[in-house]
Amino acid sequence: KAGVTQTPRYLIKTRGQQVTLSCSPISGHRSVSWYQQTPGQGLQFLFEYFSETQRNKGNFPGRFSGRQFSNSRSEMNVSTLELGDSALYLCASSFLGDFLNEQFFGPGTRLTVL
Amino acid sequence: AQSVTQLGSHVSVSEGALVLLRCNYSSSVPPYLFWYVQYPNQGLQLLLKYTTGATLVKGINGFEAEFKKSETSFHLTKPSAHMSDAAEYFCAVSNKAAGNKLTFGGGTRVLVKP
Repeated sequence: KAGVTQTPRYLIKTRGQQVTLSCSPISGHRSVSWYQQTPGQGLQFLFEYFSETQRNKGNFPGRFSGRQFSNSRSEMNVSTLELGDSALYLCASSFLGDFLNEQFFGPGTRLTVL
Repeated sequence: AQSVTQLGSHVSVSEGALVLLRCNYSSSVPPYLFWYVQYPNQGLQLLLKYTTGATLVKGINGFEAEFKKSETSFHLTKPSAHMSDAAEYFCAVSNKAAGNKLTFGGGTRVLVKP
């Protein structure tokens, strides 16, 4: 069974631009969560989608948004990029989306904002 | 609110020696506790988790952790370090209400010396 895939793996943008990252969960998984990983702030929860609905949200500004499609693939969008948005963005999928189901993480998308 | 503190951002051990990574949590409700490992340029992999029941949890690759409610701790151990254990380790906490939202500690990078 294929794992969680994230595209692109690396991305370079400039301040003010917007970016869209994609996550394809493991086949059959309905929950997708997104995390931001930075050296300064560590791993922080962005949001979770389950069956195309945002079910949980972290403490990030409205510039960060996401969506999930009917095939469970998810995208996250960051508008008006800032230097501080440079990070590794990880997505994780699970079958039902609760603590009983293991979350499987993708390799991440490394975003650099210049 | 919940939080996780990992003592020691870097740990150096000799091959064959005990690995001990410390994790203390804060949670106002019964916690669910996790240890993840991250290898360079990869996502997170679940090592083990505690939800309910037996407080000594065994995971993959010879790791285990013990939930101690009185000490609010969930330390990770491995009796004998192997070179392949060199990685970054994250302790995380969740609870029933939080669902899939994980709150991570700052991480501990393990160096294994030959």
